[in-house]
Amino acid sequence: NAGVMQNPRHLVRRRGQEARLRCSPMKGHSHVYWYRQLPEEGLKFMVYLQKENIIDESGMPKERFSAEFPKEGPSILRIQQVVRGDSAAYFCASSPPRGDEQTETQYFGPGTRLLVL
Amino acid sequence: GNSVTQMEGPVTLSEEAFLTINCTYTATGYPSLFWYVQYPGEGLQLLLKATKADDKGSNKGFEATYRKETTSFHLEKGSVQVSDSAVYFCALSAVYNFNKFYFGSGTKLNVKP
Repeated sequence: NAGVMQNPRHLVRRRGQEARLRCSPMKGHSHVYWYRQLPEEGLKFMVYLQKENIIDESGMPKERFSAEFPKEGPSILRIQQVVRGDSAAYFCASSPPRGDEQTETQYFGPGTRLLVL
Repeated sequence: GNSVTQMEGPVTLSEEAFLTINCTYTATGYPSLFWYVQYPGEGLQLLLKATKADDKGSNKGFEATYRKETTSFHLEKGSVQVSDSAVYFCALSAVYNFNKFYFGSGTKLNVKP
């Protein structure tokens, strides 16, 4: 069973460009979460999605950031007009549907390390 | 609110030494508690978890006990190996919104041969 997949693993952008980060959850998982990790810090929750729905975006910056989890295909975290402060590692996690005793556990991908020049 | 506090690192130990990484939390009610490990350049891997007070999570020689009275979930291992060198994160899932995890800042462990 493949784990959570993220791509690209490393992404370099210049200020003002757009960054698109992709996440494919584990097979059978219908819940996706995005977290941001700044250097030397822990992970900070950004957004929680189910297929075609944003459930909780309380950790998302109000501007330039958006996320989606379409019916088909991976979840996308999109950052428009990137700034140097967006440089961080972005992790995606997934969990099974409700009713599964493992629902509480989140399984993490390897992350995308974004560097804004 | 919910938060997790971990001891600052780095922690440097010799092989076969005893490991303790302290973790305390603040939360409403009784959250579930987790330890994740992050090896260099990789994502987080679940190490162990506990879902209620007095539960002990264990895996690969690591263990942690959910202490409600001291709001703690300290990670321990009796004899560390060089391969245990990594960053360890303590986390909790909120009681009324368990889809949102709160992480500590991480503790880097270096084990020398």
